[in-house]
Amino acid sequence: EADIYQTPRYLVIGTGKKITLECSQTMGHDKMYWYQQDPGMELHLIHYSYGVNSTEKGDLSSESTVSRIRTEHFPLTLESARPSHTSQYLCASSVPSEQYFGPGTRLTVT
Amino acid sequence: AQSVSQHNHHVILSEAASLELGCNYSYGGTVNLFWYVQYPGQHLQLLLKYFSGDPLVKGIKGFEAEFIKSKFSFNLRKPSVQWSDTAEYFCAVNARYNFNKFYFGSGTKLNVKP
Repeated sequence: EADIYQTPRYLVIGTGKKITLECSQTMGHDKMYWYQQDPGMELHLIHYSYGVNSTEKGDLSSESTVSRIRTEHFPLTLESARPSHTSQYLCASSVPSEQYFGPGTRLTVT
Repeated sequence: AQSVSQHNHHVILSEAASLELGCNYSYGGTVNLFWYVQYPGQHLQLLLKYFSGDPLVKGIKGFEAEFIKSKFSFNLRKPSVQWSDTAEYFCAVNARYNFNKFYFGSGTKLNVKP
C-alpha cells in the first residue's frame, strides 16, 4: 500500500473561507500531483510538481495554488472558497511506471 | 492534449459473468497504459499496466487487458467477476516522451450482483 496521506478527508466550509488541503508522501517521490474528481468525469489535473520549488498548472484551470517547499509535502490552498469548488481532490505521487494516490479530500462549500 | 475514452459509464453484471470494459485513447505516439481501480471508500490503486512487449497483460485479482495498437485500445477483461469486484475502474495513459503527465478516462462503475 502506498504511503500517501491527505487531510482532511471531508470538509464542509462556508463561502469565502480560506482552506488548505494537505498532502504528504513518505516514498521520496519527486513528482506530485493534484487532481479534481467529479462523479462521472475524468480526473482533471489541476497542479503538478517535479520537485522542490517546482510547480506547474495542470490542464484544468483552477483558482487554487500549491507550494512545494519539501519533497514530501504538497499542500493545495484556496484563498476564498466558492460553491463551484465543491469536488473531490486527489493527491498523487509518481515514478514513471505508476502513480500512487491518496484517499482524497471531499470538499463541500456551502 | 491526449484524451482517454471509456465507453461504458455503468455496468451491472451477475456473479460469474464475463467482463469487458472498453478504453480508447487519442495519442498517436508511443504510450504507457494503465488500469486503476477504486473500491468503495478506498483510494485509487493500480490494477495493471502495459509498457511494451506482450500486448496481453495480466494484473491482480484475475484481471487482464489487451493493447491493440491499431485500434488505440486497451480493454480490460475478467472471465468471471465476483461481488468483490464492485468498484469504479479508470483507464489512464501517459506518453513515452513525457512520463510526468497522466491522462485519465471518466471511469466505469461496475456493480456485481451476488
